[in-house]
Amino acid sequence: DAGITQSPRYKITETGRQVTLMCHQTWSHSYMFWYRQDLGHGLRLIYYSAAADITDKGEVPDGYVVSRSKTENFPLTLESATRSQTSVYFCASSDATVMNTEAFFGQGTRLTVV
Amino acid sequence: AQSVTQPDIHITVSEGASLELRCNYSYGATPYLFWYVQSPGQGLQLLLKYFSGDTLVQGIKGFEAEFKRSQSSFNLRKPSVHWSDAAEYFCAVGDGNQFYFGTGTSLTVIP
Repeated sequence: DAGITQSPRYKITETGRQVTLMCHQTWSHSYMFWYRQDLGHGLRLIYYSAAADITDKGEVPDGYVVSRSKTENFPLTLESATRSQTSVYFCASSDATVMNTEAFFGQGTRLTVV
Repeated sequence: AQSVTQPDIHITVSEGASLELRCNYSYGATPYLFWYVQSPGQGLQLLLKYFSGDTLVQGIKGFEAEFKRSQSSFNLRKPSVHWSDAAEYFCAVGDGNQFYFGTGTSLTVIP
């Protein structure tokens, strides 16, 4: 199906483990984003990517790593998960060829670090 | 720096009543503004957007929003709320291909 998909939808992991959240989009949008959603904070940008092999930090990048070897994929890795990284993570994409277009969101991944 | 403020953390309305959700932004140039809705366990869905032109914009699900430059506001309205409108609502400002979100307003609809 066309769109933006995240996997897994739910994940429980232990403190100190590495975990990767996947994001795949079928539109060939150049921009992709990772946000985390926490009560009282709304959506905060973790990392974004303007194109394949181009990534940049957002507001809260510490403890996270991203890569973008292909336009359609933008995985987010927690190198050593901490309880403070328990959150709902959203991947989004936008089309740079359309001036000031909106962001399109995936369904989210609920991550619990125990 | 760009920022978005949603002053109301939570709003409760009766079904059939009118609704207004507030959004104020801080942005140095012409803002590009969005309202998203998030149903429980779902991603964010675009309700409407403003880029230029008519300051009253219509969106999906019967929502509308009015851009007021003098007040730096972009409030969301609906004349008659349905129980299915219960959700989290986010206002956002766009800056090229960056997006800045408010902290959201949670809407409860009473039968």
